[in-house]
Amino acid sequence: DGGITQSPKYLFRKEGQNVTLSCEQNLNHDAMYWYRQDPGQGLRLIYYSQIVNDFQKGDIAEGYSVSREKKESFPLTVTSAQKNPTAFYLCASTDTGESYGYTFGSGTRLTVV
Amino acid sequence: LAKTTQPISMDSYEGQEVNITCSHNNIATNDYITWYQQFPSQGPRFIIQGYKTKVTNEVASLFIPADRKSSTLSLPRVSLSDTAVYYCLVGAPDDKIIFGKGTRLHILP
Repeated sequence: DGGITQSPKYLFRKEGQNVTLSCEQNLNHDAMYWYRQDPGQGLRLIYYSQIVNDFQKGDIAEGYSVSREKKESFPLTVTSAQKNPTAFYLCASTDTGESYGYTFGSGTRLTVV
Repeated sequence: LAKTTQPISMDSYEGQEVNITCSHNNIATNDYITWYQQFPSQGPRFIIQGYKTKVTNEVASLFIPADRKSSTLSLPRVSLSDTAVYYCLVGAPDDKIIFGKGTRLHILP
């Protein structure tokens, strides 16, 4: 079945360490996105990529980095520069055709201690 | 990007029909209206999408008036498992879509 796989589901890291969250899709979608969600809040866009080897900052990109070397993969690195990294991270993809709908992964809950 | 406004929360009872309205006064000609459902600790799930008039699928109906400045998601005969957050999104295929806080729907027994 086609879909988006995020791993791991839960991640614990010590403060000051960089950590990379994985996102893989087999939907042949061109565009991929990373969102952050805090308790009781909506989704905030971190980075997005509409084509391989190209990506743009979203609304809260500071302290994060991404790469898009393959169409299927869009990993997110949470760096030590991110002041409050504990959150629920969601990856999504979409087909940039006439109509659209996001397909989301199941999320990674990152806890920094 | 068209901004959307929807109620912060709603309560309803099992078996009732629930209607959640979303306002989007600045919707553009090439914008679609899409609704998502999110359960705790899960990613949002696509429910329904429309451009104008009425759209119905096995899960919900979407009513869009002629001026397209609002839309209503209709969930028939809700159950406890419909308790979730519902997001209304407006945008064109190549837009960077902005998620608001959504409507927190609580279904009571």
